[in-house]
Amino acid sequence: QAQLVQSGAEVKKPGASVKVSCKASGYTFTNFGVSWVRQAPGQGLECMGWISAYNGDTKYAQKFQGRVTMTTDTSTSTAYMELRSLSSDDTAVYYCARGGGGSGGWFDPWGQGTLVTVSS
Amino acid sequence: DIQMTQSPSSLSASVGDRVTITCRASQSISAYLNWYQQKPGKVPELLIHTTSTLQSGVPSRFSGSGSGTDFTLTISSLQPEDFATYYCQQSLTIPIYTFGQGTKLEIK
Repeated sequence: QAQLVQSGAEVKKPGASVKVSCKASGYTFTNFGVSWVRQAPGQGLECMGWISAYNGDTKYAQKFQGRVTMTTDTSTSTAYMELRSLSSDDTAVYYCARGGGGSGGWFDPWGQGTLVTVSS
Repeated sequence: DIQMTQSPSSLSASVGDRVTITCRASQSISAYLNWYQQKPGKVPELLIHTTSTLQSGVPSRFSGSGSGTDFTLTISSLQPEDFATYYCQQSLTIPIYTFGQGTKLEIK
């Protein structure tokens, strides 16, 4: 059964960076893309971008371009999302999810989420 | 960007009711529409993809329909575990997608 397990909660100061990991199991990692979605407190879902686990191609939402980097390590079936220049507006739960790109535009399964709190 | 608008934003209903949630796209997205359920403090879960294909394990009381710009999620007979927030998501614009703002389904 496919599963994604994310790294733990983070507290960061404004201007800092955060890197969240997402370890996949139960499926062939390189057969699917990984998307990243965030959810601010009490708010809806926002797609940040996508990475192909097959060849590392990335596509970022315009809002995050220049500030986000998504990578994968196929040797450990792990995807990473780094977000830089954090502000309080980046306080949110960050999810990774299998899917996006050519592997179907729906997300399933999702990681358990990583709460990133940005506070001085 | 394609905007997704759900209606209503919130809805009160009783166990056993038939409920319909609507999702409208700002331009045609063919059948590239997916639905998710999110319970408080939990991870979103895929219910339906490509407008009407029920994800494995999802009860048959859930159904989806529509095409182009107008889509619906129907729950034929509400159960206590169905009270949650529902999101639609367009998957036309590979690979950056947009979600609706959500519909919170509450117990009457």
